[in-house]
Amino acid sequence: AQSVAQPEDQVNVAEGNPLTVKCTYSVSGNPYLFWYVQYPNRGLQFLLKYITGDNLVKGSYGFEAEFNKSQTSFHLKKPSALVSDSALYFCAVRDRKNRGSTLGRLYFGRGTQLTVWP
Amino acid sequence: DTAVSQTPKYLVTQMGNDKSIKCEQNLGHDTMYWYKQDSKKFLKIMFSYNNKELIINETVPNRFSPKSPDKAHLNLHINSLELGDSAVYFCASSQGVGGQIQVGTQYFGPGTRLTVL
Repeated sequence: AQSVAQPEDQVNVAEGNPLTVKCTYSVSGNPYLFWYVQYPNRGLQFLLKYITGDNLVKGSYGFEAEFNKSQTSFHLKKPSALVSDSALYFCAVRDRKNRGSTLGRLYFGRGTQLTVWP
Repeated sequence: DTAVSQTPKYLVTQMGNDKSIKCEQNLGHDTMYWYKQDSKKFLKIMFSYNNKELIINETVPNRFSPKSPDKAHLNLHINSLELGDSAVYFCASSQGVGGQIQVGTQYFGPGTRLTVL
């Protein structure tokens, strides 16, 4: 069964410092992996995804994520955090099988609240 | 030029009432979804439709009934509303079939905050 774990409910970091939001997954085969961000009172916004190829994926707003197959992880990173990065971050995984009830289906983690203080 | 839109944005109603939430996407996607986000921000998928056909129907009370009149619309009707239905409901869409790059990325609407009194 597919599942996603975000082991930290909350991550706090000072502005200008690097940030990491962790994600591990469990899925049969090679997955598609996603990060989404939710700002207060808003819908989820797509940040980046890993499909194939280079393990380091670059996305919006200076974020990047590294796919590590041996550790089944897809941690989100940013070299220098901004106060405006404070939001709720969701990791999601999708099976490469794309038919029937798996069609387009994403499995989301429980979210990690990132707080960047000035 | 909103990609995925939902109406209404806020919905306050009494227990026992029936209400609907509408969703429209102008991305040309063939798959649409409804999610429920509870007070702890946990996202739970409720339904998905591909080309107007029901694909995912999670364990959701029968009081919830999705309707997809065409590929660009997926509405959610809720009968006999209960206190526990209070949540934020998100609509999303994606391209369910096609090239690898397009497949999978879901685009979300702004959400409908439902409050049942």
